[in-house]
Amino acid sequence: SQTIHQWPATLVQPVGSPLSLECTVEGTSNPNLYWYRQAAGRGLQLLFYSVGIGQISSEVPQNLSASRPQDRQFILSSKKLLLSDSGFYLCAWAGQNWQFFGPGTRLTVL
Amino acid sequence: GDSVTQMEGPVTLSEEAFLTINCTYTATGYPSLFWYVQYPGEGLQLLLKATKADDKGSNKGFEATYRKETTSFHLEKGSVQVSDSAVYFCALSERGAGGTSYGKLTFGQGTILTVHP
Repeated sequence: SQTIHQWPATLVQPVGSPLSLECTVEGTSNPNLYWYRQAAGRGLQLLFYSVGIGQISSEVPQNLSASRPQDRQFILSSKKLLLSDSGFYLCAWAGQNWQFFGPGTRLTVL
Repeated sequence: GDSVTQMEGPVTLSEEAFLTINCTYTATGYPSLFWYVQYPGEGLQLLLKATKADDKGSNKGFEATYRKETTSFHLEKGSVQVSDSAVYFCALSERGAGGTSYGKLTFGQGTILTVHP
């Protein structure tokens, strides 16, 4: 069966520091992968999606970036975090008709 | 572009009450529709889905019917439990001309449900 791992589970970072969140998928090959952000009290916003290695589409311009170095690995990065980057980051994998979500990373920028 | 509108929350109910959370959508194509649930501190889980008009998705006592004529996908449960307290998200995914989903989800803003004993 397919599973999605995200780490770290929680992260507290100072403003201006770099960020790297990792998502890996098991049990499938060549998945479509997605990064979403959920800000406090708000819905989910699609940040990036990837249909294959090295292929990244950005949905919202911001100071975040994404990379897909391996088929089942999807990384969300930032060179300098902003306070507004705080939120709950969810990675998802697209199955045949719906998306499976990882457990999420809660990021607090102070 | 595509959009999903959910009824404003939060919703507070007593145990065994009837639940309705309204969801309407706008889409250029022929979308698949979903309800996801997020329990406190956790990621999202698929609750139910419907892929074509008049389909009824159901799971754990929850139901929603794909109404193309009213572009709606309202979530209902006849008798809620304390354990149903969570945030509920309505979402759609556009389907390509070949019938397959592009995979990208557009979410509503979420509705917080609190059920008291």
